[in-house]
Amino acid sequence: GENVEQHPSTLSVQEGDSAVIKCTYSDSASNYFPWYKQELGKGPQLIIDIRSNVGEKKDQRIAVTLNKTAKHFSLHITETQPEDSAVYFCGKSGGRANSKLTFGKGITLSVRP
Amino acid sequence: NAGVMQNPRHLVRRRGQEARLRCSPMKGHSHVYWYRQLPEEGLKFMVYLQKENIIDESGMPKERFSAEFPKEGPSILRIQQVVRGDSAAYFCASSPLSPGGLGDTEAFFGQGTRLTVV
Repeated sequence: GENVEQHPSTLSVQEGDSAVIKCTYSDSASNYFPWYKQELGKGPQLIIDIRSNVGEKKDQRIAVTLNKTAKHFSLHITETQPEDSAVYFCGKSGGRANSKLTFGKGITLSVRP
Repeated sequence: NAGVMQNPRHLVRRRGQEARLRCSPMKGHSHVYWYRQLPEEGLKFMVYLQKENIIDESGMPKERFSAEFPKEGPSILRIQQVVRGDSAAYFCASSPLSPGGLGDTEAFFGQGTRLTVV
């Protein structure tokens, strides 16, 4: 129930194309789903998150969708740019007292100029 | 409002020494998480603490590792008698109290401490 599965493990796209990264989870109690971006040598940075009472959230070129029934959520990046190249982690938490924040294994996104 | 502060950024220890990693959460945050990251691997959960209380330490190795988050001062991750396999980046994240107590608040990360055991 604690695991978050993230796939693919690497993704390469052409600059300007869209990128979609998907995560699945098994704990139906989870109600908070953040996405983090980690650049080389730095700490993970929160880029967007979603709670289970909504199905989609958008912030400029980034959007996250959540399907609670199927227990998966996805990060969508449109009009990708070389600076989007990084490792992206999906996480989950919430829904029960003292719930901890756990992550998938990360996806390395490469945007080819 | 300063972000999560971790120090030192880099730490070199000889095998058998002790390593102390410090994490000062963001102002107003009462929850701290510690994660370990090996090269080209994900963020592995270690421990979740609130002030003066360990909430979940299911990811901590049973021996040599301990963590605390005192009423005053930073959270400390302590590794005794380090071995080469402890070499990794250790990240701390902090979050505010969840209004419903259900752990659904944003967590912010520090820049990490990179531990090298020689």
